[in-house]
Amino acid sequence: QKEVEQNSGPLSVPEGAIASLNCTYSDRGSQSFFWYRQYSGKSPELIMSIYSNGDKEDGRFTAQLNKASQYVSLLIRDSQPSDSATYLCAVGVYGGSQGNLIFGKGTKLSVKP
Amino acid sequence: DTEVTQTPKHLVMGMTNKKSLKCEQHMGHRAMYWYKQKAKKPPELMFVYSYEKLSINESVPSRFSPECPNSSLLNLHLHALQPEDSALYLCASSQDPSPTTYEQYFGPGTRLTVT
Repeated sequence: QKEVEQNSGPLSVPEGAIASLNCTYSDRGSQSFFWYRQYSGKSPELIMSIYSNGDKEDGRFTAQLNKASQYVSLLIRDSQPSDSATYLCAVGVYGGSQGNLIFGKGTKLSVKP
Repeated sequence: DTEVTQTPKHLVMGMTNKKSLKCEQHMGHRAMYWYKQKAKKPPELMFVYSYEKLSINESVPSRFSPECPNSSLLNLHLHALQPEDSALYLCASSQDPSPTTYEQYFGPGTRLTVT
């Protein structure tokens, strides 16, 4: 059973702080990793994708991947109240001739003004 | 532009009704997906269309019937649903179904309530 694990939270950080969201996955052959942000009652929005070991930065967001440890993380710098949402980690897995996304259960982030 | 549109935004239907959900994308993507999401749960894959052909059906009950009329459109036909089928139904698309890239873009969803 291929699994993606996330702490459900809630993770509470003060405004301006760094929020750190973590995810582990079970399928060692996974090649692609994604972070989605989902506001309450809305659909998931893709905010980061990462395919290689190391860091990938996009604005205030940094995704980090360590395939040896089967670990992927998302850092949000200078957190804003508008970052308050559930963050879903998703991992691409092989499924025959094509693949699929396996989602973690999500981490709820609350940024306090 | 990474826009996927879905209609209707909200749908209330009785258990004997027949209704359809619609999804459209104009990004030239060749893979389209239907997901179901219950409150406080992650999206749950229902169907995958790859190059307009159904390639994955995750053991979904036959009261849900997908259709892909062309590469831009995806429908989900609903019939004789149960109250437990009430959920947010999400459509997504990706450039192709290759295992090397899975950047899936979601539409806004249809909030379905079965009474």
